[in-house]
Amino acid sequence: DVKVTQSSRYLVKRTGEKVFLECVQDMDHENMFWYRQDPGLGLRLIYFSYDVKMKEKGDIPEGYSVSREKKERFSLILESASTNQTSMYLCASSTGTANTEAFFGQGTRLTVV
Amino acid sequence: GIQVEQSPPDLILQEGANSTLRCNFSDSVNNLQWFHQNPWGQLINLFYIPSGTKQNGRLSATTVATERYSLLYISSSQTTDSGVYFCAVYYYGQNFVFGPGTRLSVLP
Repeated sequence: DVKVTQSSRYLVKRTGEKVFLECVQDMDHENMFWYRQDPGLGLRLIYFSYDVKMKEKGDIPEGYSVSREKKERFSLILESASTNQTSMYLCASSTGTANTEAFFGQGTRLTVV
Repeated sequence: GIQVEQSPPDLILQEGANSTLRCNFSDSVNNLQWFHQNPWGQLINLFYIPSGTKQNGRLSATTVATERYSLLYISSSQTTDSGVYFCAVYYYGQNFVFGPGTRLSVLP
């Protein structure tokens, strides 16, 4: 079974803190994604990566950065957390082929106070 | 970009009832998936179905790619079926695009 694991289920951080959300997949997938989910706004893509050390901005990259130093790990970084970044964060991975299928981690509920 | 619509936005059923959820998409795609988001927020893969029909227990799905829609059927619904159902489409070289979801509530 494909497994995508996010480092935390729940996080509470203070405004201004630097926050790291970690995601690891065990299926040698080329593609990895970070989404945030907010009520009424659905799933919005923050960043994605097609390969190690490669990253592409999604729809809402402002206030975030990412790191992909190893194929299996994709980190989302909140440089200076703000209350409007309180959200559910979802990581996904998929192969790099046309008939690819996405698999998601369990999600991280981040609260910034 | 590709637009994905889902209907209905909300659905309330009595346990044991059947339901059909619909996903429309605006352009040709390489694949389509259905997910169930459980109460803890995780997206669970239900079907990978770029075309044709698949069945898994009480759930089945049909995608008619030429007409750009997909249907998810839930038969004999149970309270554990409650949650939000998403469809997502993928076009190679693009990204996964999600619909807004259908929130299903199954009452005992």
